[in-house]
Amino acid sequence: ILNVEQSPQSLHVQEGDSTNFTCSFPSSNFYALHWYRWETAKSPEALFVMTLNGDEKKKGRISATLNTKEGYSYLYIKGSQPEDSATYLCAPFYGNNRLAFGKGNQVVVIP
Amino acid sequence: DTEVTQTPKHLVMGMTNKKSLKCEQHMGHRAMYWYKQKAKKPPELMFVYSYEKLSINESVPSRFSPECPNSSLLNLHLHALQPEDSALYLCASSQNPGQSNSPLHFGNGTRLTVT
Repeated sequence: ILNVEQSPQSLHVQEGDSTNFTCSFPSSNFYALHWYRWETAKSPEALFVMTLNGDEKKKGRISATLNTKEGYSYLYIKGSQPEDSATYLCAPFYGNNRLAFGKGNQVVVIP
Repeated sequence: DTEVTQTPKHLVMGMTNKKSLKCEQHMGHRAMYWYKQKAKKPPELMFVYSYEKLSINESVPSRFSPECPNSSLLNLHLHALQPEDSALYLCASSQNPGQSNSPLHFGNGTRLTVT
């Protein structure tokens, strides 16, 4: 069983504030890192897929970085809005079609 | 709206029932997945189909039986389930099997309750 840790598990953010959270994962035999956003009553939606050490991706106010040598990724939300409230799932890919999901970072943005 | 459609959205079944979960995608994806997710836990991989062939079975009990009739459809047949099998069952697809940078497209899931 692969140990994918996401912290903090839950956080409340005031609207307009920026926040970030962490995903750490075993770095050996690593191929790629996926981030998904999962809003209540909807399906998980792919945000980013990163493969290279030092990769940085951005989608609107959300961005992510990747460190493959030490096995971690940061997700940043700039100027949080209520529509950013969701669970953010991190999933490293170790080959053979296996994504190992973390428990997620549950974000609640308070208006 | 998700491009992966799962039916039914909710299912309540007894331990002696036989039922099926269905999943459909028309994006031309050649990999399809079943995941199980229990509250406050990460999604757990159950099965992967690559080019309509079962490529991964994560030691799932035989009371769960997957089927891929064609490249667009994925079923999960359920028989003699236990109450601990109650969970959200998520179907997903991706464009190219085994390609690490190919994101998964998920359905909304079927919420299963076994009584």
